[in-house]
Amino acid sequence: DVKVTQSSRYLVKRTGEKVFLECVQDMDHENMFWYRQDPGLGLRLIYFSYDVKMKEKGDIPEGYSVSREKKERFSLILESASTNQTSMYLCASRRGLAGTRETQYFGPGTRLLVL
Amino acid sequence: AQSVTQLGSHVSVSEGALVLLRCNYSSSVPPYLFWYVQYPNQGLQLLLKYTTGATLVKGINGFEAEFKKSETSFHLTKPSAHMSDAAEYFCAVSSNTGNQFYFGTGTSLTVIP
Repeated sequence: DVKVTQSSRYLVKRTGEKVFLECVQDMDHENMFWYRQDPGLGLRLIYFSYDVKMKEKGDIPEGYSVSREKKERFSLILESASTNQTSMYLCASRRGLAGTRETQYFGPGTRLLVL
Repeated sequence: AQSVTQLGSHVSVSEGALVLLRCNYSSSVPPYLFWYVQYPNQGLQLLLKYTTGATLVKGINGFEAEFKKSETSFHLTKPSAHMSDAAEYFCAVSSNTGNQFYFGTGTSLTVIP
């Protein structure tokens, strides 16, 4: 079974803090993704990575950065957390190159509250 | 460009009744289509997917979906709702180019005893 783990289930941070969200997958997947999920808006893609050290902006990258130094690990960084970044953050991974029919596998999510 | 529309952000059914969750997509190329389920405070879990071949796809927990190209739809059904089906359901589309999935805004299913 594919396993995608996220470092925290719940986080509480203060405005202006630097926040790191970690995601690890154990199936040697090439692609990894970070989404945020908000009521009524569904899942919105923040960033994705198709290889080590490679990254692409998604639909809402502003205020976020990412790091992928190892194939199994994809980190989401909030440089200076703001209250409008309070959300559920979901990491996902997927095997294969662009255009494949492979499934995305999701982690359990991190619920971040920024005060 | 791809997009997904899920009609009805909230659906309520009685236990034992038919479940029908609607999904329409737009895609300039033949799509791959997915349904995911999310239980409270959990990540998303794949229910089923359509890639090629048979247009009626069976998934886990008794769910199935039919790909109708002429209607650009991929509606999710289950003949008889169970209390454990209460969850949020997401339809997603992926094209045969590119890396991204495009998700609908989700449908929250309530099952009434």
